[in-house]
Amino acid sequence: DAKTTQPPSMDCAEGRAANLPCNHSTISGNEYVYWYRQIHSQGPQYIIHGLKNNETNEMASLIITEDRKSSTLILPHATLRDTAVYYCIVRAVRSNDYKLSFGAGTTVTVRA
Amino acid sequence: DAGVIQSPRHEVTEMGQEVTLRCKPISGHNSLFWYRQTMMRGLELLIYFNNNVPIDDSGMPEDRFSAKMPNASFSTLKIQPSEPRDSAVYFCASSRSGQLMNTEAFFGQGTRLTVV
Repeated sequence: DAKTTQPPSMDCAEGRAANLPCNHSTISGNEYVYWYRQIHSQGPQYIIHGLKNNETNEMASLIITEDRKSSTLILPHATLRDTAVYYCIVRAVRSNDYKLSFGAGTTVTVRA
Repeated sequence: DAGVIQSPRHEVTEMGQEVTLRCKPISGHNSLFWYRQTMMRGLELLIYFNNNVPIDDSGMPEDRFSAKMPNASFSTLKIQPSEPRDSAVYFCASSRSGQLMNTEAFFGQGTRLTVV
């Protein structure tokens, strides 16, 4: 039961902003949008999450549409080390459902 | 904070042998997840625990797989008997969860299992 849809791959140029889209049209009111990434041969790494407001931290920015049916993760200045698989996940937070399930993600390749 | 610690990092075993993977979650975290990752199937959630109790083991592939969490600081994933198709990277993750909030999950470095 895929709750999110992401493009399978995308390229971006080093130093440019990378904009990663995610569709989650069936998101419910108690579900947050989470982003993780997995660099080759490492465990997934948390990036950012949000409910409905835009969020920013030292790694990225998260823009969520007003209807919450889609979001965009922005890496402001992509570097070669940002090459990874990026996963968009919706996850209930204020509930007893603690499950954290990953889809196929988007393979992002940053090119020099 | 040492993060989530998994051992061993690499395991090579013969078909039919028992394999035990170990995980130490981050101190204070009360949810623990076991995942398996292969090229074909991606990152699959096998089982997760909350407060040492298994909540959902629907992802466990078959009876050869079992997981335990005897206390808040230790969990094992056992495969008996192992088969070549069990070859994969197994990840453990932990987070702090409760009625009001689930925090982000932190992952270990994984155990690369090869069954020959």
